[in-house]
Amino acid sequence: SQQGEEDPQALSIQEGENATMNCSYKTSINNLQWYRQNSGRGLVHLILIRSNEREKHSGRLRVTLDTSKKSSSLLITASRAADTASYFCATENSNSGYALNFGKGTSLLVTP
Amino acid sequence: DTGVSQDPRHKITKRGQNVTFRCDPISEHNRLYWYRQTLGQGPEFLTYFQNEAQLEKSRLLSDRFSAERPKGSFSTLEIQRTEQGDSAMYLCASSPRATTQYFGPGTRLTVL
Repeated sequence: SQQGEEDPQALSIQEGENATMNCSYKTSINNLQWYRQNSGRGLVHLILIRSNEREKHSGRLRVTLDTSKKSSSLLITASRAADTASYFCATENSNSGYALNFGKGTSLLVTP
Repeated sequence: DTGVSQDPRHKITKRGQNVTFRCDPISEHNRLYWYRQTLGQGPEFLTYFQNEAQLEKSRLLSDRFSAERPKGSFSTLEIQRTEQGDSAMYLCASSPRATTQYFGPGTRLTVL
């Protein structure tokens, strides 16, 4: 079963604009992670935010976490064409060796 | 390149045939995970190993699916009597502990 749900499903912006993606999840978490997947490729870990953190930055990425609303957002600032990819949030299932539960993802298209 | 490799990258087979995929994790990682991803969806957890022990296999999709990790190094995922519904991307990931997972590029299976 899929734990997280990303919103929007698809997003199209121009280079230089900011992109915001949201994720909602169902159960309590220890942390939440964001991954990127270029078309037809494997996933790349972007950032992890722990349940006791509210905001985290990494380069042009900013992640927020609201455990009371069971939601997270990923902001990519000053987007580039190379940011075109699918973005997934994931939570861990401690009953299955911390296997990841992914949402359906947000497909981001950044046009020059 | 995350350091996790998968072979083959693409596999086309006819319905009813058996297929086997290989995953080579990062050498010092003792956890290894298999996921399946269908078009437009996030990865779905199948099974995981800690060293050579398969600690979770209830999420394997049917008894046609099996996985091994002899000697706690590389792993194989076998699908017997393939069906068209098995067409998907099969992803392998490894991690040193309950934390960030490093994904391979995936094996794309097409069942004709």
